[in-house]
Amino acid sequence: DTGVSQNPRHKITKRGQNVTFRCDPISEHNRLYWYRQTLGQGPEFLTYFQNEAQLEKSRLLSDRFSAERPKGSFSTLEIQRTEQGDSAMYLCASSHGQGSSGNTIYFGEGSWLTVV
Amino acid sequence: AQKITQTQPGMFVQEKEAVTLDCTYDTSDPSYGLFWYKQPSSGEMIFLIYQGSYDQQNATEGRYSLNFQKARKSANLVISASQLGDSAMYFCAMRGSNSGYALNFGKGTSLLVTP
Repeated sequence: DTGVSQNPRHKITKRGQNVTFRCDPISEHNRLYWYRQTLGQGPEFLTYFQNEAQLEKSRLLSDRFSAERPKGSFSTLEIQRTEQGDSAMYLCASSHGQGSSGNTIYFGEGSWLTVV
Repeated sequence: AQKITQTQPGMFVQEKEAVTLDCTYDTSDPSYGLFWYKQPSSGEMIFLIYQGSYDQQNATEGRYSLNFQKARKSANLVISASQLGDSAMYFCAMRGSNSGYALNFGKGTSLLVTP
């Protein structure tokens, strides 16, 4: 499977705990995005990486959230001191950085987070 | 600011019929791209079709076509010859030239294809 891979697919955690999600983009895609989706809503942008540089962050990305993309390959999204409002699906996406193919943004299957 | 509006929370269509899912948008960016994604119950967002604001022709991808009316700021998705597997949520999204790299999504339309 050469698509965007995310894990874990499901995570249940107690309020106050830290969680980390991993995303492996399509190889050779230098652009990587994180989104959050709650029930009944469309995905909301969280952050964007071009290679290893985090170029854009949404105001939704509070100081409890941190994302990294070391070496410009896989990325991690960590949520510290989780709150019940963090319960959502976290989607990772990637795209090429050049030409019209950069307009095709591929998403992973998402990581569902439930905070109890 | 950009805004995407999908006014149809749910749609029904009979198998083999065509269906149009509505999307209107608002932006002040001089150029922009419009996207449609399909999200089945598994959760994955599946890219369907892309339309650039300066593209002269409406985009088509197999059974999917995008009815782009720039003056009306609409970008409706047309699915021809519906199949049972088309039942899913459908999201319209846009990205503006002056608005960074984020895709802004609408709230989605739930499509149910009946036999």
